[in-house]
Amino acid sequence: AQSVSQHNHHVILSEAASLELGCNYSYGGTVNLFWYVQYPGQHLQLLLKYFSGDPLVKGIKGFEAEFIKSKFSFNLRKPSVQWSDTAEYFCAVSGYSTLTFGKGTMLLVSP
Amino acid sequence: EPEVTQTPSHQVTQMGQEVILRCVPISNHLYFYWYRQILGQKVEFLVSFYNNEISEKSEIFDDQFSVERPDGSNFTLKIRSTKLEDSAMYFCASSGILGQGLGGELFFGEGSRLTVL
Repeated sequence: AQSVSQHNHHVILSEAASLELGCNYSYGGTVNLFWYVQYPGQHLQLLLKYFSGDPLVKGIKGFEAEFIKSKFSFNLRKPSVQWSDTAEYFCAVSGYSTLTFGKGTMLLVSP
Repeated sequence: EPEVTQTPSHQVTQMGQEVILRCVPISNHLYFYWYRQILGQKVEFLVSFYNNEISEKSEIFDDQFSVERPDGSNFTLKIRSTKLEDSAMYFCASSGILGQGLGGELFFGEGSRLTVL
């Protein structure tokens, strides 16, 4: 069975700080990897996804993630966060079946 | 931009009552899903629906749950006799040609918060 682990439940940063949110997954086969974001009061929306090819994936709003197969990781990064990045971030994985989410990381960016 | 819409946004019900949560997926999408998130826990898969039938369901999706696409636009989740532990945020999602198992992007609604007293 596939599973996803997100390392941090809450992260607090000041504006312009760099961000890295950890995500590790377990699955024996080929995976598709996703980061979703949920802004306060809004729906889950896709930040970026990895299917194959270049392991460094760029998404919306300056986010990127790197798939490291040997570490079963798909960490999310942003060089300089903004107050508007305050949200909950979910890592998710799908093999050939359902999408499995991590518990989420609540990011609070202070101005 | 097309979006998935869900109603109601919040429903409070008594234990044992039936609840129907409604969703209008994006119009040309083929795959439909329900997920839920109990407060403080993971977003969990409940069921996927394709070609007018359930394509996959989780252990959570027992006989108390059912889904229906009654009129080609709405996609409903019914909980027959609610329990306290059904209190959660329920998310509807849809995807286009590719289902979630093939890496298709899921588009989520804003969720329906169910509170069972």
